[in-house]
Amino acid sequence: ILNVEQSPQSLHVQEGDSTNFTCSFPSSNFYALHWYRWETAKSPEALFVMTLNGDEKKKGRISATLNTKEGYSYLYIKGSQPEDSATYLCASAPGGGATNKLIFGTGTLLAVQP
Amino acid sequence: SQTIHQWPATLVQPVGSPLSLECTVEGTSNPNLYWYRQAAGRGLQLLFYSVGIGQISSEVPQNLSASRPQDRQFILSSKKLLLSDSGFYLCAWIPGISNTEAFFGQGTRLTVV
Repeated sequence: ILNVEQSPQSLHVQEGDSTNFTCSFPSSNFYALHWYRWETAKSPEALFVMTLNGDEKKKGRISATLNTKEGYSYLYIKGSQPEDSATYLCASAPGGGATNKLIFGTGTLLAVQP
Repeated sequence: SQTIHQWPATLVQPVGSPLSLECTVEGTSNPNLYWYRQAAGRGLQLLFYSVGIGQISSEVPQNLSASRPQDRQFILSSKKLLLSDSGFYLCAWIPGISNTEAFFGQGTRLTVV
């Protein structure tokens, strides 16, 4: 994998459903993997920054896992609420270092129907 | 606390006109600064980044340029806009240490007509 890829592109779920998205990234030269939540008319906000293989992070009903050897991360939302509707972005920070460049995927657009 | 300001919020410009978008950061020093663009139906593409005053790195060849005249100021410019320059532009900063999150401005919606 040369780029950061996210799937699905969009997702429509009912309130209360649990859902998950996938982020695939180059496993070589891995340094960090970021997840952001981007609501319409707002700035993207960080959810997680993950660095360790096997790491799992949680914030409320949202959690994420990381597999750096195979190059993927999953984001889970338990019991989706309408306020969870947003675009979820993942970004790889290859090599880290002084530049801290983030390479973003195209995002997963989540719509939660009440 | 640190804040990032980006303006204007929306801009409609004719083809061939110049462009200047400004981004400033408060409450920090020597930040890494970034310009991203989201074109219609696409993800965030890194355009430029800067690790210090006068230091600009371009990620993709394009019709745009960037400058960093002061430590906490990052400017995106064009001498003559193209239709393909339309999109949503985001400025971001990351503290100069690894494994920290990025902070984004409010964004500029640029429409070239």
